[in-house]
Amino acid sequence: SQTIHQWPATLVQPVGSPLSLECTVEGTSNPNLYWYRQAAGRGLQLLFYSVGIGQISSEVPQNLSASRPQDRQFILSSKKLLLSDSGFYLCAWTDNDYNSPLHFGNGTRLTVT
Amino acid sequence: TQLLEQSPQFLSIQEGENLTVYCNSSSVFSSLQWYRQEPGEGPVLLVTVVTGGEVKKLKRLTFQFGDARKDSSLHITAAQPGDTGLYLCAGETDKLIFGTGTRLQVFP
Repeated sequence: SQTIHQWPATLVQPVGSPLSLECTVEGTSNPNLYWYRQAAGRGLQLLFYSVGIGQISSEVPQNLSASRPQDRQFILSSKKLLLSDSGFYLCAWTDNDYNSPLHFGNGTRLTVT
Repeated sequence: TQLLEQSPQFLSIQEGENLTVYCNSSSVFSSLQWYRQEPGEGPVLLVTVVTGGEVKKLKRLTFQFGDARKDSSLHITAAQPGDTGLYLCAGETDKLIFGTGTRLQVFP
């Protein structure tokens, strides 16, 4: 069966520090991978998605970047965090079928102080 | 910009009551998904509806896709404390657009 791992679960970082959140998927090949950010108790905003190694699409220009160095690894990064980067970050995957549902990780709660 | 508005935003009810959550848009979707999210976890898919007018049932939950595929509803019968969570609809066009969310609290 497929599983998705996202870490860390919580993170407190000072303003101006770098960020690296990692997500890996097991049990599937060539998944579509996504990074979302969720405002407190609300809907999800798509940040980045990837349909293959090295292929990254950005939905919202901001202080973040994403990379996909391996087929089942997706990394969210920042060189210098801003206060406004605080939030709940979710990684997700789908297979390549149309209407395939999203399978989410358990998220990372990031607090920038 | 495509928007999916959910209503109500918050809902607090007693165990045993019925409720309906609405998901509305001016856009037409090829399909619509409903997710439930518990605190500190990622959303989990409940159902996908594809055909206009389609109704799907999942135990006490009934999902309906509007005839024009612009809206959807989720009806819960005899709510239980285990139904507590954030309910999110998500409509698919060329991408998946998430709704604004409905936070449900069911008290015993």
